[in-house]
Order: sequence, then C-alpha cells, then structure tokens
Amino acid sequence: GESVGLHLPTLSVQEGDNSIINCAYSNSASDYFIWYKQESGKGPQFIIDIRSNMDKRQGQRVTVLLNKTVKHLSLQIAATQPGDSAVYFCAENYGQNFVFGPGTRLSVLP
Amino acid sequence: DSGVTQTPKHLITATGQRVTLRCSPRSGDLSVYWYQQSLDQGLQFLIQYYNGEERAKGNILERFSAQQFPDLHSELNLSSLELGDSALYFCASSVGWTIRETQYFGPGTRLLVL
Repeated sequence: GESVGLHLPTLSVQEGDNSIINCAYSNSASDYFIWYKQESGKGPQFIIDIRSNMDKRQGQRVTVLLNKTVKHLSLQIAATQPGDSAVYFCAENYGQNFVFGPGTRLSVLP
Repeated sequence: DSGVTQTPKHLITATGQRVTLRCSPRSGDLSVYWYQQSLDQGLQFLIQYYNGEERAKGNILERFSAQQFPDLHSELNLSSLELGDSALYFCASSVGWTIRETQYFGPGTRLLVL
C-alpha cells in the first residue's frame, strides 16, 4: 500500500485496549471539527464530527472530546481492533476552509 | 467502496506539463471537493464545487483549476507542473452545499512529476 507520511507519530496499542489519539488545532475561531481514518492505499473516511458548542460526542466505539480552552481535540476508540489500524487525521473548519492535522498512525498489536 | 470514482489511478509526467484528473461523485451528490495529500504538507483542501458552481476555495495554486460539469463529474487541471506537485489527489463528494456535510472520498490519483 501507499505510505501516508513516513514520519508520522505512531501509537501502538494492544488489541482490546482503548486508544486515545490527540490533536492540537490552530485557530481559535474554528467551530467545527472532524476525525478521519485513512487506511493504506485508500482515501480518508469520515469517523465522527463535533461542533464547538459541544465538549463531547459519542459514536459507535468512538468518542471525540473537544477542549476549546487549550485548542485540543481527542479521539477515543474503545476495544481497539486490528481493523482500526490506520492513520487518523483531525480537521478543523473555519469559514470555507478545512485545515488538517499531520495525522497519527495507529498500530494494533495482536 | 465510497461510490466516488477517480481516474486515472496513477499518472507520471514531466515538469512543465499539464494534466487533468477526473472525478465522478456518488450518485445523488451535488458537491465535489478536491484535496492534495503530500508527504511534506499533509492533506490540504483545494476547492469545492456545488452543482456546477465554485463554492469554497482553499489552498489551490493559480496553476491549478477545476470545474464541475452538468453531469456533476469534476475535473482538476494542473498546469506548469513542478516536482513539488507530486502528491495524491483526492476527490470527495457530498449531497448538499455546506462544507460541513459528510464527505465521501475517492481512492485518489497518484501524480508523479519527474
């Protein structure tokens, strides 16, 4: 498969454990945020989003936390599975633009 | 499979040349977005079209242009290519006009400029 960012930070977790992936965003005016998952050789895939009027949003096995005070976003994945291995990106939206973070590679150990 | 198709899958060309990348959105989607993903700059939003009209513009260079046709497919034209334009180019689509709708990404076109 194709490599996306050979020098990305990597998070290694044991299968079944919970994963926490962090993201610092840049613009205090950003009011909408998305987490994407990108598997090798594929395009990004929407996981979950959150608006700035919320601190927390839950999906299926995933939770996004937003801390506007320190401009920090996190993605929690419960009971991590081998299929969760991928690169995860956060994106912030302000106006008509999206700005993506550099990504974190999640590696799930058997 | 997201339902978004992109052609070609791979493209190799030389500096100074011009290429056209093509995208067909999911059936029923009216918005098309273009993104560039490179090793040094990561994923960058380029431009959005909605029902044939430019809707939002990101970090798109003047050498690049896009359009969306009446059948809703879109083309991204890259001209006067430079080595630094080598990247993955993704197209995404969504139903409506707002940039905050869920976007579905295609498999990408890998461009190599030699």
